[in-house]
Amino acid sequence: KAGVTQTPRYLIKTRGQQVTLSCSPISGHRSVSWYQQTPGQGLQFLFEYFSETQRNKGNFPGRFSGRQFSNSRSEMNVSTLELGDSALYLCASSLLTTETDTQYFGPGTRLTVL
Amino acid sequence: AQRVTQPEKLLSVFKGAPVELKCNYSYSGSPELFWYVQYSRQRLQLLLRHISRESIKGFTADLNKGETSFHLKKPFAQEEDSAMYYCALSGSGGSYIPTFGRGTSLIVHP
Repeated sequence: KAGVTQTPRYLIKTRGQQVTLSCSPISGHRSVSWYQQTPGQGLQFLFEYFSETQRNKGNFPGRFSGRQFSNSRSEMNVSTLELGDSALYLCASSLLTTETDTQYFGPGTRLTVL
Repeated sequence: AQRVTQPEKLLSVFKGAPVELKCNYSYSGSPELFWYVQYSRQRLQLLLRHISRESIKGFTADLNKGETSFHLKKPFAQEEDSAMYYCALSGSGGSYIPTFGRGTSLIVHP
């Protein structure tokens, strides 16, 4: 089975712009979660989608949004970019959405905001 | 609020020595706890979870509710164990907000 894929792998934007990141889960996985990883804050949960519905949300401002399509692919959007949004954005998929279900992570998208 | 603390940023040992990576948590309910590992140039991946009570690659972790700890242990470290290790907590009962520790970098010297 192909693993979780994320595109693009690297992205450079300027303050005020918006960005869309994409995640393709493992085939058959219905849950997709997004995380932000920074040296200062570590790995932080953004949100989780299951069957096209946002099921859970972390403590991030409304500039961070996402969606999931009927094929379980997910996109994450960040509007009005700030310097502090520079981070590695990880996507993870799992078969179900239980607390103990194994999450499989993608390689991440490295976003740099100038 | 739930919190995961990994007090050591770096742990350096020699091959064959015992290893213990510490993890303490704060959670009001019944937690689900995990250890994730990231080897150099590889993706973050699940190492083990407490509910399975399993041993993976010689690593074990015991949930101590009294001390609110979930330390990761291995009796004899190998060079290939060198990696970044993250402890994570997920709420139970429908509260699925995973919280990760800052991670501990384990270096095993030959």
